[in-house]
Amino acid sequence: EVQLVESGGGLVQPGGSLRLSCAASGFTFSSYWMHWVRQAPGKGLVWVSRITPDGTTTHSADSVKGRFVVSRDNAQNRLFLNMYSLTTDDTAVYYCARGTSIIADPPFDPWGQGTLVIVSS
Amino acid sequence: QSVLTQPPSASGTPGQKVTISCSGSTSNIGNNYVSWYQQVPGTAPKLLVFRNDQRPSGVPDRFSGSKSGTSAFLAISGLRPEDEADFYCAACDENLTGVLFGGGTKLTVL
Repeated sequence: EVQLVESGGGLVQPGGSLRLSCAASGFTFSSYWMHWVRQAPGKGLVWVSRITPDGTTTHSADSVKGRFVVSRDNAQNRLFLNMYSLTTDDTAVYYCARGTSIIADPPFDPWGQGTLVIVSS
Repeated sequence: QSVLTQPPSASGTPGQKVTISCSGSTSNIGNNYVSWYQQVPGTAPKLLVFRNDQRPSGVPDRFSGSKSGTSAFLAISGLRPEDEADFYCAACDENLTGVLFGGGTKLTVL
């Protein structure tokens, strides 16, 4: 079964940092683009970052550029999101999602269950 | 305000057909594939349609996608109570890095 399981969320103060992890199983992780998508409480989905299958190229939304860094460890089948200089606007459930093996575009399938990040003093 | 515009809500009675729209522009929907996701509150999104009108295995054929010009549509026929959820469209944009999502449509089954 293809599965993604996020971890690492929690409560962090404004200006702080956090590292999210996404454990992948049931597929050849190193063959797929991987993405992070977030959802603020009561709001819609917002794409955050993506990384190529080999981990050499990343792209991020303007709202997180320079603060969030996406990376992966293909030997461990893990995706990461290092978040720095967090603000209250970063409060959200963060989902990792599998992209395609060919292009950077959607679809996203499957999605992890999400991990909640709360930025508050 | 999302670049991809969806109606905030839609509703129907069991057995009815409901269609949700997603309006964009040439640079996104017009020239790129659209995918649709269903999110039951409190759970992760689930892929319903990809490449405008393709269904992943396991998705009932009651769900169908289409695209015309700069708009995409998700039709749900034979509405069931368990279809009650939020639905999102998504597409890339030639002028942006990344992926756009619509604002979401909350479907209520009356």
